[in-house]
Amino acid sequence: AQTVTQSQPEMSVQEAETVTLSCTYDTSESDYYLFWYKQPPSRQMILVIRQEAYKQQNATENRFSVNFQKAAKSFSLKISDSQLGDAAMYFCAYRNYGGSQGNLIFGKGTKLSVKP
Amino acid sequence: DTAVSQTPKYLVTQMGNDKSIKCEQNLGHDTMYWYKQDSKKFLKIMFSYNNKELIINETVPNRFSPKSPDKAHLNLHINSLELGDSAVYFCASSQGLAGGPNYNEQFFGPGTRLTVL
Repeated sequence: AQTVTQSQPEMSVQEAETVTLSCTYDTSESDYYLFWYKQPPSRQMILVIRQEAYKQQNATENRFSVNFQKAAKSFSLKISDSQLGDAAMYFCAYRNYGGSQGNLIFGKGTKLSVKP
Repeated sequence: DTAVSQTPKYLVTQMGNDKSIKCEQNLGHDTMYWYKQDSKKFLKIMFSYNNKELIINETVPNRFSPKSPDKAHLNLHINSLELGDSAVYFCASSQGLAGGPNYNEQFFGPGTRLTVL
């Protein structure tokens, strides 16, 4: 079974600085998707960024980028120029590429605080 | 327009009661999911339905019974509520099950916070 591990329960960053959130996962599949979701206090789950395992290029979305290391099964999220609105829980998630189950498998989350 | 909606957003009830949470999506998706987020914020899949058929049932007590009257709705009924059922329940939807080269994003509802007293 696939598992996702986030080893940092909490992180803190100064506004305008850069922070990196860690995620490792375990799977025997060669093709899969990886995601970072943001959950602000409003509870809404917001997709931040997605990475397809078959793509070597790291995904980037504005201030958010990932460092995808397939051999190491590592998938970290870098937030540049941190803003107060980035404060939230961040969840790393995995999804199979094929098969008959499309559900997401989540890590336990990292609570990010942004200091003004 | 809300893509995935859940009602109610908050539900407070006594132990032993039976309650339902409703979920509707207007995205035309054929697959819907229920996830549970516990007090430690851990999110885990409970059920998924594809074209009204149950695909995943992740060792959830049989007090929980999902019902999908049509592809746009997936309701969650909980019998004999227990203290441990207190959590936030998220509904989500996507088009299709498998990812493949044309990935279809899962859209989440706003969540229902269930508190069992």
